[in-house]
This record gives sequence, structure tokens and C-alpha cells, in this order.
Amino acid sequence: ETGVTQSPTHLIKTRGQQVTLRCSSQSGHNTVSWYQQALGQGPQFIFQYYREEENGRGNFPPRFSGLQFPNYSSELNVNALELDDSALYLCASSFRGGQYGYTFGSGTRLTVV
Amino acid sequence: DAKTTQPPSMDCAEGRAANLPCNHSTISGNEYVYWYRQIHSQGPQYIIHGLKNNETNEMASLIITEDRKSSTLILPHATLRDTAVYYCIVRVGSNYGQNFVFGPGTRLSVLP
Repeated sequence: ETGVTQSPTHLIKTRGQQVTLRCSSQSGHNTVSWYQQALGQGPQFIFQYYREEENGRGNFPPRFSGLQFPNYSSELNVNALELDDSALYLCASSFRGGQYGYTFGSGTRLTVV
Repeated sequence: DAKTTQPPSMDCAEGRAANLPCNHSTISGNEYVYWYRQIHSQGPQYIIHGLKNNETNEMASLIITEDRKSSTLILPHATLRDTAVYYCIVRVGSNYGQNFVFGPGTRLSVLP
């Protein structure tokens, strides 16, 4: 079985721009979550999608949005990028809400300049 | 906020057992204890989880106290590749919409 894959691995954007990050879930997983990890900190929950609908959200503004597709892959979109958005963005997939744990991707390193 | 507290760092000699403690004094009856680790610049990796019984898998053992207010992750024979940040998390097992709350974790350094 394949794990969680994220693209791109690294990205540099200018303040004010928009960015889209992509995630392919592990085979058989129907739930996807996104996390933001600033340097030296633990991951912070952004939101979760189940059956193409957002069903949980952390303390992030509306300019962070997402999509989940019928094949359970997902996108994270961030509008009006700010310097503080520079971080490692992690995607995690799970089955049935994560009772048996989450599989994380290696992340996308976003740098906003 | 994270519902767990862990020491910020620990050292362990290569080949010895690494015992990582975690306090979760406010854990609820239906909350599981999960352990993940994160090797530099990679995504967190699932290690083990348990509810109230001790658990063991090919990577580690999880010892949960009888009152469930604390637990210990045991890596029986630590290697240099086990150097990582280890996160202890409590969460309801199957909870759509509620995700993991990561604290700062314990930075484990395995020394040669």
C-alpha cells in the first residue's frame, strides 16, 4: 500500500500571493487532516475533511480553505499569504476518524518572503 | 491546549532502553493515549496507542498506569535512528472532526 504523498515538497511565495498544496491519501483512508508546523513547535490542526466535507477546524482564519475529492485526495489553499504562514504543512490521512492512528506525509515546506 | 505534559528532552545510550514518560492527569475514560515521533523535517510517524491495557508492537511498548493518569513509552533497544521528537497525545479514539493536539514533545537524543 502507498503512504501519504504531498506536493510540492518546497515552495517559495511572496506575501499577498495565494498557494495550493496537494495531498494524496493512503489507500483505503477516507479522512484527511491538515496541520501547520512552525519551526521548533508541534503541529497545529488546521482542518479535517471526511466524505468531501469539512467536519472540524482549528483556530485558523477563513483564508485557509480546503477541498477533498471523491478519490479522497485533498488540497489546502491559503490566500493573502503572510510572513507568519511560513511553515511545514502536513497532511494526514486516516480511516474512520483516526481511531487506528493517522498516516502523515512528509510535508510541504512553504516560505513566504 | 495539549492535555499532556512531557519532559522537553532526554538522552539515552545506544542499545539501552529508552523510557519516555507522559502525564495526562485529566484523561477521560474514552480517550486513548497515542504516541508519535518526528524525525527532523519529516512527518510524524505513528508508534503505538492504547486505552488502558499495556500494548506492544514491533516498535515499542506502551505502559499505562492503572489510574490512566500517566504512561511510559519504551523503546527496548534504542538506536541512533530513534533520535527524534516524541509526542504523547490523548484523544477520543474515533472522533470525526476532532484531531490531535500536539504539545512540544520530548526530544530524545540517542548517544553512541
